[in-house]
Amino acid sequence: GNSVTQMEGPVTLSEEAFLTINCTYTATGYPSLFWYVQYPGEGLQLLLKATKADDKGSNKGFEATYRKETTSFHLEKGSVQVSDSAVYFCALIYGQNFVFGPGTRLSVLP
Amino acid sequence: DADVTQTPRNRITKTGKRIMLECSQTKGHDRMYWYRQDPGLGLRLIYYSFDVKDINKGEISDGYSVSRQAQAKFSLSLESAIPNQTALYFCATSDSPEVSPYTDTQYFGPGTRLTVL
Repeated sequence: GNSVTQMEGPVTLSEEAFLTINCTYTATGYPSLFWYVQYPGEGLQLLLKATKADDKGSNKGFEATYRKETTSFHLEKGSVQVSDSAVYFCALIYGQNFVFGPGTRLSVLP
Repeated sequence: DADVTQTPRNRITKTGKRIMLECSQTKGHDRMYWYRQDPGLGLRLIYYSFDVKDINKGEISDGYSVSRQAQAKFSLSLESAIPNQTALYFCATSDSPEVSPYTDTQYFGPGTRLTVL
């Protein structure tokens, strides 16, 4: 079946630190991969996506590369800000399979 | 104004009661989804609809039913609520392949927090 595994949180960083949130997946085919972000009290918002191997998604300083050989889609940001504090979800969609990871809570301290 | 709205935003009810959660969208999308969010489990798909006449069960449909009243409206019902249905419920929408190649991007409502006592 299809599944997504994310690193467990919470992750606590100081402002301007480097961020990595690991995500690996299992899929029977070639899914589209996503990172969504959920700010407190809000619904999920698309952060970035990649639809095929070696694609890099990027937005707001965040990046993730679709690595088929390691079945990974790790989220990175070079310098986090307090405003990046949120829950981050890795997700895949393949046909009519919609699978979200458990989420990783990020707290950035000033 | 929000593109995807959910009502109510919060609801407390008792075991055995029938509950309806409503979702409306102004994005003009054909596809709509209902998820529940539980701590440590992420989002799990309950039902989805690719158009008004197409309803499909998701991963955890037992104990739930849905109604697609129009392209813009998709309701989720709990016929007889039980405490383990206490969760945060999200509605989402996406485009169809006939309209956009980006059919896989979903747009979420703000959520409904449901508590079943």
